[in-house]
Amino acid sequence: DIQMTQSPSSLSASVGDRITITCRASQGISYYLAWYQQKPGKVPKLLIYHTSTLQSGVPSRFSGSGSGPDFTLTISSLQPEDVATYYCQKYNSAPFTFGPGTKVDIK
Amino acid sequence: QVQLVQSGAEVKKPGASVKVSCKASGYTFNSYYMHWVRQAPGQGPEWMGIINPRDNSANYAQKFQGRVTMTWDTSTSTGYMDLSSLTSEDTAVYYCARDILLGIPVAGYWGQGTLVVVSS
Repeated sequence: DIQMTQSPSSLSASVGDRITITCRASQGISYYLAWYQQKPGKVPKLLIYHTSTLQSGVPSRFSGSGSGPDFTLTISSLQPEDVATYYCQKYNSAPFTFGPGTKVDIK
Repeated sequence: QVQLVQSGAEVKKPGASVKVSCKASGYTFNSYYMHWVRQAPGQGPEWMGIINPRDNSANYAQKFQGRVTMTWDTSTSTGYMDLSSLTSEDTAVYYCARDILLGIPVAGYWGQGTLVVVSS
């Protein structure tokens, strides 16, 4: 099975900072990569699919890019409400494995 | 609007089975696949499998093969996830989630989650 890794595992940044999270697939997955945001005690929320397509209603400060094996999620200007754990997930073929997550908080 | 309403929390003893339900509304249910994802305390989400409600065909993560069964009841627009031979490591919140768009197997709509606790 394809393994997904993320870096860093956690980060702390100031409000307004630009932050980037990286997700790496152990094999090619084309553009079949999604990003989710999960706040404590809440259900995961889809942010981006197909590497860079923003889900409806997601703020434009979130963006995704990459072409394999490395993919990135960027928050252009970190806001207090962005404190959460972010997960990538590959879905080119089953199993649709999640990455281990990146915890983001405010410095 | 799309709604997925799951059954309530369960407490089970080791070795038992649990069946979690997921009632769908607000869309044509047989047009979209349904995922099941679980999340153990303090851990990330873990994809368990996916079911096609149109024909009840399912694809399970190898980790759960032989222990999980996903089904769909068309008469009630309800999906079910049955997990057997439970151990303490199965303690988790279990989610159903629907594809975001037709033909795109990304979990865009989620149920509220069902806590399953396995304890003697």
